Amino acid sequence: DTEVTQTPKHLVMGMTNKKSLKCEQHMGHRAMYWYKQKAKKPPELMFVYSYEKLSINESVPSRFSPECPNSSLLNLHLHALQPEDSALYLCASSPWDRGLRGRANNEQFFGPGTRLTVL
Amino acid sequence: KNEVEQSPQNLTAQEGEFITINCSYSVGISALHWLQQHPGGGIVSLFMLSSGKKKHGRLIATINIQEKHSSLHITASHPRDSAVYICAVRPLSGGGADGLTFGKGTHLIIQP
Repeated sequence: DTEVTQTPKHLVMGMTNKKSLKCEQHMGHRAMYWYKQKAKKPPELMFVYSYEKLSINESVPSRFSPECPNSSLLNLHLHALQPEDSALYLCASSPWDRGLRGRANNEQFFGPGTRLTVL
Repeated sequence: KNEVEQSPQNLTAQEGEFITINCSYSVGISALHWLQQHPGGGIVSLFMLSSGKKKHGRLIATINIQEKHSSLHITASHPRDSAVYICAVRPLSGGGADGLTFGKGTHLIIQP
C-alpha cells in the first residue's frame, strides 16, 4: 500500500458544526503533515507530527485541532470554523530517514485532499 | 519576498514542445521537490532532489545547489501534462520532519 488516503473528499459545514478530517497511510511513515491550500495559492503548512507527537504548529487557530492516535492515522478536528477557512486540506506523510551529514531528506507523499466549504 | 520563486507563472505551449519551468530559492535547503497538481486537488510528487539531475520518462529535473536554482523539463509535451507544477523546498534545520515551503506554482497548458 503506497498511498495516502483522505476522507471525506468533500465536506460542507456550518459555522457551528463540529467535524473531523481523516488521513491514513500504511507505508510505515512516522512523519505526517496537514497543509491548507486556498484557491490558486500554494499549500501552507499547518501541523507536523513526528512519531505521533506534534512537532510543528504554524500558529494555526485553535478552531483547528489535530490528533495523531497512532502511526497510521492523522485527524483534523474542526469546530466553529469561519467561511474563510474554506479550502483544500491536504495530508502528507514521509519516512523518517536521515540523509548524509544528519540532514533530513524525506520525500513527502500527498493525499488527494478534502475540499472543505464553510457556510 | 517569497523564499521560493517560480517562473513562468503561466505557460501555454503546443503539443510536442520542450518545456522548461524554473525555480529559485533563497534559503539553505536539504532537498527540493517538484510536484504536480491537476485540477481537483491531488498532489503527486514528481522528483525529490538534493543534487545533480534526475530523469523519469519525459521529465527531467536538475538542481544547482551553489546557484540555488532548479529546473523542470518536459520533453515531447502532451495535453495530459497540463497541470500546475509546484517547486517546494525543505529548509535546512537541526533535524526533524519539517514541512515544505512552496513556490506559487506554474500553470502549464499544452494545446493539441
